[in-house]
Amino acid sequence: NAGVTQTPKFQVLKTGQSMTLQCAQDMNHNSMYWYRQDPGMGLRLIYYSASEGTTDKGEVPNGYNVSRLNKREFSLRLESAAPSQTSVYFCASIGVGDRGLYEQYFGPGTRLTVT
Amino acid sequence: GENVEQHPSTLSVQEGDSAVIKCTYSDSASNYFPWYKQELGKGPQLIIDIRSNVGEKKDQRIAVTLNKTAKHFSLHITETQPEDSAVYFCAARTGTASKLTFGTGTRLQVTL
Repeated sequence: NAGVTQTPKFQVLKTGQSMTLQCAQDMNHNSMYWYRQDPGMGLRLIYYSASEGTTDKGEVPNGYNVSRLNKREFSLRLESAAPSQTSVYFCASIGVGDRGLYEQYFGPGTRLTVT
Repeated sequence: GENVEQHPSTLSVQEGDSAVIKCTYSDSASNYFPWYKQELGKGPQLIIDIRSNVGEKKDQRIAVTLNKTAKHFSLHITETQPEDSAVYFCAARTGTASKLTFGTGTRLQVTL
Protein backbone atom coordinates (compact mmCIF):
# COMPACT_ATOMS: atom_id res chain seq x y z
CA ASN A 1 0.00 0.00 0.00
CA ALA A 2 1.98 3.00 -1.30
CA GLY A 3 -0.58 5.65 -0.27
CA VAL A 4 -0.35 8.81 -2.40
CA THR A 5 2.49 8.99 -4.90
CA GLN A 6 3.60 11.99 -6.95
CA THR A 7 5.95 12.42 -9.89
CA PRO A 8 8.30 14.10 -10.46
CA LYS A 9 9.89 15.04 -7.11
CA PHE A 10 11.71 18.03 -8.58
CA GLN A 11 11.29 20.02 -11.79
CA VAL A 12 12.79 23.17 -13.26
CA LEU A 13 10.90 24.89 -16.09
CA LYS A 14 11.52 27.97 -18.17
CA THR A 15 8.76 30.58 -18.36
CA GLY A 16 6.20 29.53 -20.96
CA GLN A 17 6.96 25.82 -20.84
CA SER A 18 4.24 23.32 -19.99
CA MET A 19 4.23 20.25 -17.81
CA THR A 20 1.96 17.80 -16.04
CA LEU A 21 2.32 16.74 -12.42
CA GLN A 22 1.14 13.20 -11.85
CA CYS A 23 -0.60 11.86 -8.75
CA ALA A 24 -1.94 8.42 -7.91
CA GLN A 25 -3.46 6.83 -4.82
CA ASP A 26 -4.05 3.16 -4.09
CA MET A 27 -6.45 3.56 -1.16
CA ASN A 28 -9.64 3.52 -3.24
CA HIS A 29 -10.49 7.05 -2.11
CA ASN A 30 -13.12 9.02 -3.99
CA SER A 31 -11.85 12.56 -3.37
CA MET A 32 -8.50 13.93 -4.50
CA TYR A 33 -6.89 17.37 -4.20
CA TRP A 34 -4.05 19.53 -5.46
CA TYR A 35 -2.48 22.12 -3.14
CA ARG A 36 0.41 24.50 -3.45
CA GLN A 37 2.57 25.43 -0.50
CA ASP A 38 4.39 28.74 -0.37
CA PRO A 39 6.43 30.15 2.54
CA GLY A 40 4.23 31.92 5.07
CA MET A 41 1.03 31.03 3.23
CA GLY A 42 0.28 27.49 4.31
CA LEU A 43 -1.45 25.14 1.91
CA ARG A 44 -3.79 26.59 -0.67
CA LEU A 45 -6.23 24.47 -2.65
CA ILE A 46 -5.81 24.67 -6.43
CA TYR A 47 -8.37 22.12 -7.66
CA TYR A 48 -10.16 19.14 -6.25
CA SER A 49 -12.14 16.16 -7.48
CA ALA A 50 -14.92 14.90 -5.24
CA SER A 51 -15.32 11.76 -7.32
CA GLU A 52 -14.22 10.22 -10.60
CA GLY A 53 -15.41 12.36 -13.48
CA THR A 54 -15.83 15.60 -11.50
CA THR A 55 -13.44 18.47 -10.85
CA ASP A 56 -13.90 21.83 -9.15
CA LYS A 57 -11.85 24.97 -8.63
CA GLY A 58 -10.28 25.70 -5.30
CA GLU A 59 -8.84 28.93 -3.94
CA VAL A 60 -6.10 29.51 -6.54
CA PRO A 61 -7.01 27.78 -9.85
CA ASN A 62 -5.73 30.35 -12.34
CA GLY A 63 -2.98 29.03 -14.61
CA TYR A 64 -3.76 25.37 -13.89
CA ASN A 65 -5.91 22.60 -15.32
CA VAL A 66 -6.65 19.17 -13.92
CA SER A 67 -7.76 15.76 -15.14
CA ARG A 68 -9.27 13.00 -13.05
CA LEU A 69 -8.19 10.19 -15.32
CA ASN A 70 -9.78 7.45 -13.22
CA LYS A 71 -10.41 6.81 -9.54
CA ARG A 72 -6.69 6.39 -8.84
CA GLU A 73 -5.14 9.24 -10.79
CA PHE A 74 -5.48 13.04 -10.66
CA SER A 75 -3.08 15.13 -12.72
CA LEU A 76 -2.29 18.85 -12.61
CA ARG A 77 -1.20 20.67 -15.76
CA LEU A 78 0.58 23.97 -16.17
CA GLU A 79 0.00 25.08 -19.76
CA SER A 80 2.36 28.07 -19.73
CA ALA A 81 4.48 28.19 -16.60
CA ALA A 82 5.16 31.51 -14.87
CA PRO A 83 7.66 32.37 -12.11
CA SER A 84 4.69 32.92 -9.74
CA GLN A 85 4.01 29.20 -10.01
CA THR A 86 7.30 28.35 -8.33
CA SER A 87 6.11 26.38 -5.31
CA VAL A 88 5.85 22.97 -3.70
CA TYR A 89 2.82 21.07 -4.97
CA PHE A 90 1.05 18.45 -2.90
CA CYS A 91 -1.52 15.96 -4.02
CA ALA A 92 -3.87 14.49 -1.43
CA SER A 93 -6.76 12.09 -1.18
CA ILE A 94 -9.34 11.77 1.53
CA GLY A 95 -10.89 8.67 3.03
CA VAL A 96 -10.43 6.00 5.65
CA GLY A 97 -6.89 4.68 5.88
CA ASP A 98 -4.92 2.06 7.78
CA ARG A 99 -5.49 3.79 11.12
CA GLY A 100 -9.25 3.60 10.64
CA LEU A 101 -9.43 7.38 10.58
CA TYR A 102 -11.22 9.51 8.00
CA GLU A 103 -8.41 11.82 7.06
CA GLN A 104 -6.61 13.55 4.26
CA TYR A 105 -3.48 11.75 3.06
CA PHE A 106 -0.76 13.77 1.36
CA GLY A 107 1.83 12.77 -1.18
CA PRO A 108 5.52 13.65 -0.73
CA GLY A 109 5.29 16.77 -2.90
CA THR A 110 6.78 18.11 -6.14
CA ARG A 111 9.18 21.03 -5.89
CA LEU A 112 8.74 23.18 -9.00
CA THR A 113 10.95 26.09 -9.97
CA VAL A 114 10.04 28.34 -12.91
CA THR A 115 12.86 30.56 -14.16
CA GLY B 1 -15.35 31.59 2.83
CA GLU B 2 -13.50 30.23 5.83
CA ASN B 3 -10.38 32.01 7.11
CA VAL B 4 -7.99 30.33 9.54
CA GLU B 5 -5.31 32.26 11.42
CA GLN B 6 -2.49 30.49 13.24
CA HIS B 7 -0.03 31.73 15.87
CA PRO B 8 2.83 31.79 16.51
CA SER B 9 4.66 31.35 13.22
CA THR B 10 7.75 30.05 15.04
CA LEU B 11 8.10 28.50 18.48
CA SER B 12 11.21 27.34 20.26
CA VAL B 13 10.98 25.29 23.45
CA GLN B 14 13.40 23.28 25.52
CA GLU B 15 13.10 19.52 25.57
CA GLY B 16 10.59 18.47 28.20
CA ASP B 17 8.67 21.75 28.13
CA SER B 18 5.16 22.16 26.73
CA ALA B 19 4.26 23.81 23.43
CA VAL B 20 0.97 25.46 22.56
CA ILE B 21 -0.14 26.53 19.07
CA LYS B 22 -3.35 28.49 18.60
CA CYS B 23 -5.75 28.90 15.67
CA THR B 24 -8.86 30.96 15.11
CA TYR B 25 -11.48 30.42 12.43
CA SER B 26 -14.12 32.67 10.97
CA ASP B 27 -16.98 30.42 9.84
CA SER B 28 -19.20 29.38 12.74
CA ALA B 29 -20.48 26.49 10.57
CA SER B 30 -17.06 24.80 10.61
CA ASN B 31 -17.32 21.45 12.34
CA TYR B 32 -14.04 19.60 11.90
CA PHE B 33 -10.58 20.75 12.96
CA PRO B 34 -7.53 18.61 12.16
CA TRP B 35 -3.89 19.24 13.00
CA TYR B 36 -1.09 18.19 10.67
CA LYS B 37 2.63 17.72 11.25
CA GLN B 38 5.01 18.27 8.36
CA GLU B 39 8.59 17.09 8.56
CA LEU B 40 11.26 18.42 6.25
CA GLY B 41 10.82 17.18 2.68
CA LYS B 42 7.60 15.34 3.39
CA GLY B 43 3.89 15.91 3.01
CA PRO B 44 1.73 16.86 6.01
CA GLN B 45 0.46 14.02 8.19
CA LEU B 46 -2.60 14.09 10.44
CA ILE B 47 -1.69 13.89 14.13
CA ILE B 48 -4.98 14.65 15.86
CA ASP B 49 -8.40 16.07 15.04
CA ILE B 50 -11.48 17.29 16.87
CA ARG B 51 -15.09 17.68 15.87
CA SER B 52 -17.38 20.50 16.90
CA ASN B 53 -19.38 18.39 19.34
CA VAL B 54 -16.29 17.78 21.50
CA GLY B 55 -14.39 20.29 23.65
CA GLU B 56 -11.13 18.42 24.15
CA LYS B 57 -9.35 15.37 22.80
CA LYS B 58 -6.11 13.78 23.96
CA ASP B 59 -3.73 11.27 22.43
CA GLN B 60 -0.70 10.52 24.60
CA ARG B 61 1.41 13.71 24.66
CA ILE B 62 -0.77 15.73 22.32
CA ALA B 63 -4.15 17.28 22.98
CA VAL B 64 -6.47 19.62 21.15
CA THR B 65 -9.03 21.96 22.70
CA LEU B 66 -11.91 23.67 20.94
CA ASN B 67 -13.84 26.75 22.03
CA LYS B 68 -16.77 27.12 19.62
CA THR B 69 -18.03 30.31 21.19
CA ALA B 70 -14.72 32.08 20.69
CA LYS B 71 -14.03 30.19 17.43
CA HIS B 72 -10.59 29.07 18.39
CA PHE B 73 -8.80 25.78 18.85
CA SER B 74 -5.37 24.91 20.18
CA LEU B 75 -2.76 22.16 19.97
CA HIS B 76 -0.93 21.25 23.16
CA ILE B 77 2.20 19.12 23.15
CA THR B 78 3.56 18.08 26.54
CA GLU B 79 7.00 16.72 27.41
CA THR B 80 8.37 17.82 24.06
CA GLN B 81 11.09 15.76 22.39
CA PRO B 82 13.52 16.64 19.58
CA GLU B 83 11.47 14.51 17.16
CA ASP B 84 8.55 16.89 17.72
CA SER B 85 10.50 19.52 15.76
CA ALA B 86 8.50 20.14 12.57
CA VAL B 87 5.98 22.52 11.00
CA TYR B 88 2.46 22.17 12.37
CA PHE B 89 -0.68 23.22 10.49
CA CYS B 90 -4.19 23.64 11.77
CA ALA B 91 -7.18 23.42 9.43
CA ALA B 92 -10.94 23.79 9.46
CA ARG B 93 -13.70 22.21 7.41
CA THR B 94 -17.18 23.59 6.94
CA GLY B 95 -20.25 21.38 6.66
CA THR B 96 -20.05 18.13 4.78
CA ALA B 97 -17.70 19.44 2.11
CA SER B 98 -14.33 17.75 1.96
CA LYS B 99 -12.36 20.96 1.50
CA LEU B 100 -10.03 22.08 4.28
CA THR B 101 -8.83 25.63 4.91
CA PHE B 102 -5.34 25.63 6.40
CA GLY B 103 -3.55 27.99 8.74
CA THR B 104 -0.17 29.38 7.73
CA GLY B 105 1.84 26.96 9.86
CA THR B 106 4.00 27.04 13.01
CA ARG B 107 7.62 25.97 12.92
CA LEU B 108 8.32 24.24 16.25
CA GLN B 109 11.90 23.72 17.32
CA VAL B 110 12.66 21.61 20.37
CA THR B 111 16.14 22.30 21.70
CA LEU B 112 18.20 20.05 23.96
